[in-house]
Amino acid sequence: RKEVEQDPGPFNVPEGATVAFNCTYSNSASQSFFWYRQDCRKEPKLLMSVYSSGNEDGRFTAQLNRASQYISLLIRDSKLSDSATYLCVVLTGGGNKLTFGTGTQLKVEL
Amino acid sequence: NAGVMQNPRHLVRRRGQEARLRCSPMKGHSHVYWYRQLPEEGLKFMVYLQKENIIDESGMPKERFSAEFPKEGPSILRIQQVVRGDSAAYFCASSPRLPPSGAAILYEQYFGPGTRLTVT
Repeated sequence: RKEVEQDPGPFNVPEGATVAFNCTYSNSASQSFFWYRQDCRKEPKLLMSVYSSGNEDGRFTAQLNRASQYISLLIRDSKLSDSATYLCVVLTGGGNKLTFGTGTQLKVEL
Repeated sequence: NAGVMQNPRHLVRRRGQEARLRCSPMKGHSHVYWYRQLPEEGLKFMVYLQKENIIDESGMPKERFSAEFPKEGPSILRIQQVVRGDSAAYFCASSPRLPPSGAAILYEQYFGPGTRLTVT
């Protein structure tokens, strides 16, 4: 079983749609959680940290369920510029290393 | 305020040559991480360094790969006697890192643009 699992997609959605990504992680000792986005052949860029109480940043909302070891990302009012691969990321190893999911590809279309 | 810098951005080596990848962390960051992304795969942790110390190298291949972060200068990832399977994007990240009691935000890692290594 992979340490961090995501649906690879692709998710093809029209502009303005709401889309949700899910992620599960296997290590119950994981400490911190993040969503990164990666554009084709570029570096991953931090989108947002995920807090236990859930958190929102503009059109983006992240949720964490420690009991189920489940993380989600909701994107409202999708823009063309949101097209990218979204990486679910978990901090493990005593805070030393990030473990990445393989990513969910999002394509926002006109 | 410059971000994480990596060079070269693209590196071509023939089988058996050495590859040296350099990373300068963000200003104020003292912790460096190296990750590798093979074609069509996710990023995999390789090594975590602080100045003059390797803290966690659990993701490093046992042979041919080494990393350092000297007191002065950038962090270096060195690959000796490269093989075709080493072709990948190598990303460096840095973080400020504070004691474990810190909030999640203190563990955020910021990535450089990567070095794309091609072994011919």
